[in-house]
Amino acid sequence: DQQVKQNSPSLSVQEGRISILNCDYTNSMFDYFLWYKKYPAEGPTFLISISSIKDKNEDGRFTVFLNKSAKHLSLHIVPSQPGDSAVYFCAAVLRAGSYQLTFGKGTKLSVIP
Amino acid sequence: ETGVTQTPRHLVMGMTNKKSLKCEQHLGHNAMYWYKQSAKKPLELMFVYNFKEQTENNSVPSRFSPECPNSSHLFLHLHTLQPEDSALYLCASSQVGAGEQFFGPGTRLTVL
Repeated sequence: DQQVKQNSPSLSVQEGRISILNCDYTNSMFDYFLWYKKYPAEGPTFLISISSIKDKNEDGRFTVFLNKSAKHLSLHIVPSQPGDSAVYFCAAVLRAGSYQLTFGKGTKLSVIP
Repeated sequence: ETGVTQTPRHLVMGMTNKKSLKCEQHLGHNAMYWYKQSAKKPLELMFVYNFKEQTENNSVPSRFSPECPNSSHLFLHLHTLQPEDSALYLCASSQVGAGEQFFGPGTRLTVL
């Protein structure tokens, strides 16, 4: 039973436009969420995170939104650049517990020049 | 070296071989992790070490044997693996209690 779901395996966006990557979770006890980015032949790299006490966190071109009632978070990238083409993983953690990250399957983003 | 390094990057082994994967972190972290990534599956946590002590073993078969001699090094000893164990094995580190984990580049393992 997957607790973190990324229902879109892939997404294509034109350069300069907004990319929106979505993530849903089922465990209401998760209290911290992260996005990772992965290029081929590299490990995932941390991108941005959000605590459950917030509904938005912004870092440059990247913004993460959290809707706790819907158990949904999204990552917005604007403007999208060709270098953003990668697989993006959503992860959730129970900080009061064992600090284990539970990952989604990932969404492959392609930014078309 | 900086960050988290893993060796070897690629490994091909037969089912009767014994091999080891190595991970080293240069970030001063005190927690280390092994993950497995199979095709079309989420990253699966295998083992967690906090301050060199194993705190999690997510029902991993005994043919995978972790070792953490100190906070900077983590090994995964492999023996009598099965072809379905072929995957990308990722090591990560963090401060205990921090959400952000930092990953190595992974070892691509193929079991023949």
